[in-house]
Amino acid sequence: AQSVTQLDSQVPVFEEAPVELRCNYSSSVSVYLFWYVQYPNQGLQLLLKYLSGSTLVKGINGFEAEFNKSQTSFHLRKPSVHISDTAEYFCAVSDRGGGADGLTFGKGTHLIIQP
Amino acid sequence: DVKVTQSSRYLVKRTGEKVFLECVQDMDHENMFWYRQDPGLGLRLIYFSYDVKMKEKGDIPEGYSVSREKKERFSLILESASTNQTSMYLCASRLAGAGENNEQFFGPGTRLTVL
Repeated sequence: AQSVTQLDSQVPVFEEAPVELRCNYSSSVSVYLFWYVQYPNQGLQLLLKYLSGSTLVKGINGFEAEFNKSQTSFHLRKPSVHISDTAEYFCAVSDRGGGADGLTFGKGTHLIIQP
Repeated sequence: DVKVTQSSRYLVKRTGEKVFLECVQDMDHENMFWYRQDPGLGLRLIYFSYDVKMKEKGDIPEGYSVSREKKERFSLILESASTNQTSMYLCASRLAGAGENNEQFFGPGTRLTVL
């Protein structure tokens, strides 16, 4: 069984400051890792994903994440946030077996950008 | 672009009613999923389908059923709606297999209120 922990339910940050949203996972098998963003009253949109290869993954809107296998982490970062980044962010995992199983999500982190 | 559409953005039903939530995708994806999203709980998998007429229970299937008669359409059914099924429901689809195909594409969600 897999699980995802997002340690912070809310992260307030001033505009133009850097931000890191934390994600840790546990799994008995190798996994794929994802970050999704949900803007108010919208569905989920993929920010970035780690499948294999380089552990530093770049996504849309200036976000990046680093896969750390030894720490079982996949933290999301942005060097300078904007008001428009206010949203809910979800970390998710799926196993590499290629089965049809759905993603396992964390409980989400609400990023609040303060002017 | 992959498009996943859901029949309603907002829905209000009464306790005991039979409720149908419809999801359609236009990219010939084999796999389709239904999640519910609740504050503080993230997204939880209700049911998934890996092909037409195939279905598997997710983590919280109780009180729900599904139907997949055509590849592009995946329906979630609440046989007798209850107030604890008030939630946001998200549909997703994905190509079958592993690797790059592992990304799920989400619809905009249906916010269901059961009175």
